[in-house]
Amino acid sequence: QLQLQEPGPGLVKPSETLSLTCTVSGGSISSSSYCWGWIRQPPGKGLEWIGNIYYGGSTYYSPSLKSRVTISVDTSENQFSLELSSVTAADTAVYYCARRGITIRAFDIWGQGTMVTVSS
Amino acid sequence: QSVLTQPPSASGTPGQRVTISCSGSSSNIGSNTVNWYQQLPGTAPKLLIYSNNQRPSGVPDRFSGSKSGTSASLAISGLQSEDEADYYCAAWDDSLSGYVFGTGTKVTVL
Repeated sequence: QLQLQEPGPGLVKPSETLSLTCTVSGGSISSSSYCWGWIRQPPGKGLEWIGNIYYGGSTYYSPSLKSRVTISVDTSENQFSLELSSVTAADTAVYYCARRGITIRAFDIWGQGTMVTVSS
Repeated sequence: QSVLTQPPSASGTPGQRVTISCSGSSSNIGSNTVNWYQQLPGTAPKLLIYSNNQRPSGVPDRFSGSKSGTSASLAISGLQSEDEADYYCAAWDDSLSGYVFGTGTKVTVL
């Protein structure tokens, strides 16, 4: 069945750019039935949606992160990526990638998550 | 801060029924479908309910969802020890053009 994996850098320095890639296995990322998203969870806190990328490349981003976020897709590698620039300690979180069904309008498959710490 | 408000905690004894509320507004719950996610300790969230009251394959029918106006609820009947987890509601928000999660509710089985 479809699986998502998002290995991460672990540690990013303040003011640098956080980069994560989610690899989709067991299915194709090129489907108009789904879009692909990123969600994060600071330690001990709730879930925060970061953004989605749709078939065809259109994107939606959280208004609070929009100025710093870029989500892109690489169909040849069956991957999609997140870039978050100018990070601070407030960006320390577990980052999840997930598949969102267009019809059900919900994230139905999630990666296991990767912890990213912003620290010098 | 989140635009969907949930009680921080709920609890019950095994076999009891527990209900979790999710309060929103006309731009999110009032005009879009609600989803519920279950997050067991140390794991990724799992889709529990979509489209207000639909269960994905494999989710026990002990879990049920409902929506009325700008509020939604998740009910867990026949509470079991393995239901101890954090639960989040979520919906698209037309004003924000984004997906919003609730504040989360920690369910404890006494």
